[in-house]
Amino acid sequence: NAGVTQTPKFQVLKTGQSMTLQCAQDMNHEYMSWYRQDPGMGLRLIHYSVGAGITDQGEVPNGYNVSRSTTEDFPLRLLSAAPSQTSVYFCASSYGEGATANTGELFFGEGSRLTVL
Amino acid sequence: KQEVTQIPAALSVPEGENLVLNCSFTDSAIYNLQWFRQDPGKGLTSLLLIQSSQREQTSGRLNASLDKSSGRSTLYIAASQPGDSATYLCAVSLGNQFYFGTGTSLTVIP
Repeated sequence: NAGVTQTPKFQVLKTGQSMTLQCAQDMNHEYMSWYRQDPGMGLRLIHYSVGAGITDQGEVPNGYNVSRSTTEDFPLRLLSAAPSQTSVYFCASSYGEGATANTGELFFGEGSRLTVL
Repeated sequence: KQEVTQIPAALSVPEGENLVLNCSFTDSAIYNLQWFRQDPGKGLTSLLLIQSSQREQTSGRLNASLDKSSGRSTLYIAASQPGDSATYLCAVSLGNQFYFGTGTSLTVIP
């Protein structure tokens, strides 16, 4: 059972480049989310989705786009990378349905470490 | 906005000692509370999940309690081992979001 899979694990970008962080889960979870983790700041929510076709902004959405075309996949796009986006990014998913899609246990991927030069 | 606080930020104990980690939150209308472990450079591993209707959960040497009315949870680790050294985070579920504390860094000294 793969759980939550993130790719790539490491990435170095130059300022202004764009890229997509991939996230896939095989647990049929409706709820998926992206966080960034920075020293001293804890985990901050970027975007989340309560089901296919539904996305919403979290605490720090600027500079990031998401889409949810299938239940399994929730890619995070960096439109024009900036040094402030250097961070470790985590994708997580949870069981639930509709408005209470985040009532279950939250499962995390291994993380994607991004450096923007 | 839900605020989650974990105290202390760091803790160092000798091997074999029992210890308690604390988590507090400001809005008691949570769906659940979850404790995670994070090793350096790794993702978060779920340890215990307590639903809002529950008071505690146990797994091996770990016991987590939840007092919604006071906005507090504790994670009790019995007979600590060097392998327990890690950062422990708590998270609460409210609305459509999970809110995380900044964690307690635990070091167990052999």
